[in-house]
Amino acid sequence: NAGVTQTPKFQVLKTGQSMTLQCAQDMNHEYMSWYRQDPGMGLRLIHYSVGAGITDQGEVPNGYNVSRSTTEDFPLRLLSAAPSQTSVYFCASSQGAGSYEQYFGPGTRLTVT
Amino acid sequence: GNSVTQMEGPVTLSEEAFLTINCTYTATGYPSLFWYVQYPGEGLQLLLKATKADDKGSNKGFEATYRKETTSFHLEKGSVQVSDSAVYFCALSPHNGANSKLTFGKGITLSVRP
Repeated sequence: NAGVTQTPKFQVLKTGQSMTLQCAQDMNHEYMSWYRQDPGMGLRLIHYSVGAGITDQGEVPNGYNVSRSTTEDFPLRLLSAAPSQTSVYFCASSQGAGSYEQYFGPGTRLTVT
Repeated sequence: GNSVTQMEGPVTLSEEAFLTINCTYTATGYPSLFWYVQYPGEGLQLLLKATKADDKGSNKGFEATYRKETTSFHLEKGSVQVSDSAVYFCALSPHNGANSKLTFGKGITLSVRP
């Protein structure tokens, strides 16, 4: 099992550009989520999905879109990048919510200039 | 709403020292509690968890006990190693169905020197 994979590992964007961060898991997990990690802020939930075709907003959803067309994939789209979106982004998956362990990808470090 | 408070860091210890990292939480009901660890350049991974009051989670020499009366889940290790240097996150998740979300503390960086 590859677990949770994310691409790219690093990305530099100019303000106003758009891009998609890819996330895939091969564990047949229903629950997937996107977090951003900023110094001194911990991890904050951007969007999550409880199954294919179902997504919902987390704590900091503005400026980001998601879709879940398959169980395996959960891409995160930045519509018009801003310097405030400079961060490290983590995708995670789990069998469910509540007491289930979340499995994290290795992260994407994004810089917006 | 739900929240997790961790002690301020960073923490620097000598090898074989005793470690305590404090974590307290605010939540309704009886959430599940977690400690996640992030080694340099990697994603987070689960270190241990507890799902009900008085449960003790343990792994790799680390322990934490779910204390409902003090709303705490402090992480301890009797003798740290250089390889324990990492960022540690306390987190909680309520048991209220499919939309339960994981709430993280801010994390604390542990450095262990030889």
